[in-house]
Amino acid sequence: GAGVSQTPSNKVTEKGKYVELRCDPISGHTALYWYRQSLGQGPEFLIYFQGTGAADDSGLPNDRFFAVRPEGSVSTLKIQRTERGDSAVYLCASRSSGRGDTQYFGPGTRLTVL
Amino acid sequence: AQSVAQPEDQVNVAEGNPLTVKCTYSVSGNPYLFWYVQYPNRGLQFLLKYITGDNLVKGSYGFEAEFNKSQTSFHLKKPSALVSDSALYFCAAHNKYIFGTGTRLKVLA
Repeated sequence: GAGVSQTPSNKVTEKGKYVELRCDPISGHTALYWYRQSLGQGPEFLIYFQGTGAADDSGLPNDRFFAVRPEGSVSTLKIQRTERGDSAVYLCASRSSGRGDTQYFGPGTRLTVL
Repeated sequence: AQSVAQPEDQVNVAEGNPLTVKCTYSVSGNPYLFWYVQYPNRGLQFLLKYITGDNLVKGSYGFEAEFNKSQTSFHLKKPSALVSDSALYFCAAHNKYIFGTGTRLKVLA
């Protein structure tokens, strides 16, 4: 079946601009995660959705970052007033209902802030 | 602070030799431990996991890992390395959303 997809694959923007990154999870997966991966680092947790609600948003670095999942499927990560330090690969993952179930990752969106 | 450590940035091994990629953890409660592999410009691919039960878990592509509670370790192993195993490997504690910094495995022909 189809895996997790993320769009766009690459996004180049200027400092101060607003960006949206989209994640389409595996059909039927109730849990969705966003991570950020900087060069040479492991993925850093940002936010976790269970259904439509954010079950844990403790990883969002500041109020410029926001994510939604209005219908419990597709999710959008929104970054306002982008800064050069936001440049990274943003990864999305989904899993089915059990907390021990495997997270399946998308290919990521590479964000570059000039 | 809770953490997952991968003490080696890079591991080099000759093709056909056994390989070990180390992972230790410091998390509260019972950890859900995972190994992922990442190829260049690709997402993370699941290899194996330990949730409960048998301490030795077997996964994809001939990899296995042993959960050792007393040493708080979950090292990844393979009896005979292939050049195609060369990639970046990540250990993670999923119930705490924590990933290690990754270990680059290089298998030399």
